[in-house]
Amino acid sequence: EPEVTQTPSHQVTQMGQEVILRCVPISNHLYFYWYRQILGQKVEFLVSFYNNEISEKSEIFDDQFSVERPDGSNFTLKIRSTKLEDSAMYFCASLRRDMNTEAFFGQGTRLTVV
Amino acid sequence: RKEVEQDPGPFNVPEGATVAFNCTYSNSASQSFFWYRQDCRKEPKLLMSVYSSGNEDGRFTAQLNRASQYISLLIRDSKLSDSATYLCVVNGAAGNKLTFGGGTRVLVKP
Repeated sequence: EPEVTQTPSHQVTQMGQEVILRCVPISNHLYFYWYRQILGQKVEFLVSFYNNEISEKSEIFDDQFSVERPDGSNFTLKIRSTKLEDSAMYFCASLRRDMNTEAFFGQGTRLTVV
Repeated sequence: RKEVEQDPGPFNVPEGATVAFNCTYSNSASQSFFWYRQDCRKEPKLLMSVYSSGNEDGRFTAQLNRASQYISLLIRDSKLSDSATYLCVVNGAAGNKLTFGGGTRVLVKP
C-alpha cells in the first residue's frame, strides 16, 4: 500500500540552527500539506502546496518557514533559526485529488529544539 | 467559536460497551468530513469519511447533521484496541484546508 514517508523520524537541533524536514508524498497525489502538533495539543495547519506553489498558509507559517518540491518527489519544510517553541511533531500529508478526498499522513518528524 | 470543536474526554468505556461522541463545526460551507484515529505520538490515520447519508464500517458508524453542524462517531462492542484519540477533521471549516478538532480521547477498559 502506498504511503507517505518522512525523514528523519527524530531531529534534535540547537536553538538558532536551520533544519530541513523531508517528505515523500504518495506518487500520484497532487496536494501536499505540512501540519504540526505540539505535545498534548491539537494538530495545526501550517501550509498547503499545489501545482508547485503555496496555495494557503497559516499565521504560524511566517518568514521563518519555507517549503519546496525540488525534484518532483520530495517535499521539504525548512525552518530557519529554530526557536524552542518550534519543538513539535511535524506531519506531512498528501491528497490524491482535492479536498473531498482523504488525506494520508506520514509518520511524522519529532523536532526537539534545545 | 472554534472552527472545529470536540469534547476532549476522556470517555472511559467498559469493554463491549457502546460509546458515541460528536464534533461541531462553525462554517456552514464546510464540504467534507472525516474521522481520524491517533495513537499516542503517532500520525493521524483515516478511520472513515463521513457522508451525508451516514455510513457504517464494521463497528463504527458516522453521521453528519448539516442543519445542526455536527458529525458523530459511534463505536459498538468496544475493544481494548479502540483506545485512542479520535480526531474530527473538516474541509472548508476555515479556508480550503483540513481543519482538525482537538480530539476526543477514548479509553476502553476490561
